[in-house]
Amino acid sequence: DIQLTQSPSFLSASVGDRVTISCRASQAISNSVAWYQQKPGKAPSLLIYATSTLQSGVPSRFSGTKSGTEFTLSISSLQPEDFATYYCQQISAYPITFGQGTRLE
Amino acid sequence: VQLLESGGDLIQPGGSLRLSCAASGFTFTRHAMTWVRQAPGKGLEWVSVVSGNGYTTYYADSVKGRFTIARDNSNSMLYLQMNGLRVEDTGIYYCAKYLADNPSSRYFQDWGQGTLVTVSS
Repeated sequence: DIQLTQSPSFLSASVGDRVTISCRASQAISNSVAWYQQKPGKAPSLLIYATSTLQSGVPSRFSGTKSGTEFTLSISSLQPEDFATYYCQQISAYPITFGQGTRLE
Repeated sequence: VQLLESGGDLIQPGGSLRLSCAASGFTFTRHAMTWVRQAPGKGLEWVSVVSGNGYTTYYADSVKGRFTIARDNSNSMLYLQMNGLRVEDTGIYYCAKYLADNPSSRYFQDWGQGTLVTVSS
């Protein structure tokens, strides 16, 4: 199985900050990574797929990049509604796997 | 797009349960459908997927041989039959729709609100 190691697990930030979340894959997985946002008591929602493609309706302050097997989610200027938990996901091979999550508070 | 799960309940270990997901607002047969679960206070775990035509399925090792995914394309319904339930199967079960029905589009574009399964004696 392809393992995804997300870091950090917790991230403390303020409105207006730029933050980055890392997701490292256990093997090469091309661009087959997505990022999801989940707010308490709600289902996850798709933010970015194929490493860097923004899902329709997602603000442009969110972006995704890749270097080797490390994938990064960046939020350029945190807004109050961005405080949530973020998960990376790989779809390169079954079983589909998720990172353990990053709680942004 | 609307995905509405139902069927979650409190069930004893070893019991069976069938979850349903009613889909609307899109062409159901054009999208693979999947189940994802989340244990209380934990992260996301992919459970199973079925292709748009219903012929191809995959399962997580943790549920293989116990859970069966199926779909009824004539009624836009997705199902998860869960047998031999264990305490560790407890959690919220979400159905989700793939971006499209091909290997490069296995992203979970839309999600239901989830249904709670509690396995406890």
